Amino acid sequence: AAGVIQSPRHLIKEKRETATLKCYPIPRHDTVYWYQQGPGQDPQFLISFYEKMQSDKGSIPDRFSAQQFSDYHSELNMSSLELGDSALYFCASSFRSQRVDTQYFGPGTRLTVL
Amino acid sequence: AQSVTQPDIHITVSEGASLELRCNYSYGATPYLFWYVQSPGQGLQLLLKYFSGDTLVQGIKGFEAEFKRSQSSFNLRKPSVHWSDAAEYFCAVGVFNSGGGADGLTFGKGTHLIIQP
Repeated sequence: AAGVIQSPRHLIKEKRETATLKCYPIPRHDTVYWYQQGPGQDPQFLISFYEKMQSDKGSIPDRFSAQQFSDYHSELNMSSLELGDSALYFCASSFRSQRVDTQYFGPGTRLTVL
Repeated sequence: AQSVTQPDIHITVSEGASLELRCNYSYGATPYLFWYVQSPGQGLQLLLKYFSGDTLVQGIKGFEAEFKRSQSSFNLRKPSVHWSDAAEYFCAVGVFNSGGGADGLTFGKGTHLIIQP
């Protein structure tokens, strides 16, 4: 079965640079969620989109922004990167019309900020 | 706001022995509950979920979990563990928003499962 695709899988950036992470949801899924997982930490919810509109907002820094496009893929844009942004970034997708809105996670993008 | 507590940071179990991982949640209404498993450097794989109905839910890889409203718990169990079960296990709670969809999940801190030969 098709899964959530994230690209790139690994990304190395310098401080103050920008980064763009991409997420392609499972076909027919209409909702995308972004999470950040620091080393040894639990995943923290950042933001979600449903039908290209922001649905929920968590602990996303002002330096980050995201959007969902007409084909339902989503991009997380990160500017003025800091050392503390080094983490595993997960995208999850779900089909909101399902009775139980189950989130399926991608493999993650590992961002390293030097 | 909802919260999840996984009291055990590490658990060591012998291969073939039974397993129970604890999860307690805090939320004013009935949440929907998940268990995810994560191998090192990997993504989160859904093991099972509870929304309503039968309080004992079956998942993949021989796992099951029981929802106990009176104890605000959703403990994960497996009758006989295999070495391949060694991983990080996360309990998560989700709630529905006013738009009918789900908000972002709130995760517990995770339990690291070690399997002894």
